[in-house]
Amino acid sequence: TQLLEQSPQFLSIQEGENLTVYCNSSSVFSSLQWYRQEPGEGPVLLVTVVTGGEVKKLKRLTFQFGDARKDSSLHITAAQPGDTGLYLCAGADGDRYNNNDMRFGAGTRLTVKP
Amino acid sequence: NAGVTQTPKFRVLKTGQSMTLLCAQDMNHEYMYWYRQDPGMGLRLIHYSVGEGTTAKGEVPDGYNVSRLKKQNFLLGLESAAPSQTSVYFCASSSHRPVRTRHSNQPQHFGDGTRLSIL
Repeated sequence: TQLLEQSPQFLSIQEGENLTVYCNSSSVFSSLQWYRQEPGEGPVLLVTVVTGGEVKKLKRLTFQFGDARKDSSLHITAAQPGDTGLYLCAGADGDRYNNNDMRFGAGTRLTVKP
Repeated sequence: NAGVTQTPKFRVLKTGQSMTLLCAQDMNHEYMYWYRQDPGMGLRLIHYSVGEGTTAKGEVPDGYNVSRLKKQNFLLGLESAAPSQTSVYFCASSSHRPVRTRHSNQPQHFGDGTRLSIL
């Protein structure tokens, strides 16, 4: 069972700053997803990456999948208070892309102060 | 469009009591999942279902049972609640993509959770 480590665990920044959070593992992933979870709600999918070295952009959010498919990063440019939340990564090994094989990290709790 | 609906939102139980958590989805998804979320541990899969009438164990199934009598509903039961089962429980659903077009995991759609405290 792969273990996903997310860092930092907590991050508090001012509006307008840039930040990067990380998701690391010793396992190779066939697929990796990033979710954002707001207080009192369930996680919401932001992006899925599947190819080593892949970069995806979602407005001010940039997601990168490591070349070896063992790690991923999320970079936010000019953070806004609306970016506040718990950011979770989830990875699956194997080649069947079954969600029951997905394992979640503990998350990075981001607070963006106005 | 309601998506995934969980009931109840909050519940307090005494040790040894039983209860059932309800999950309903209106997206005609084949797959449904139950997770628990604990501080510092992320989401852990309890049980899942790939279709009506079928269920399977996830990562942490002990102390829980599930049933999928209807495609849109997935029930999670605690027969004899223990303090270690205090957690936030999330239900999720996802569609099933045909094998020939599979190249990544399907997105999971989550409910807003049930906060369960066991005293």
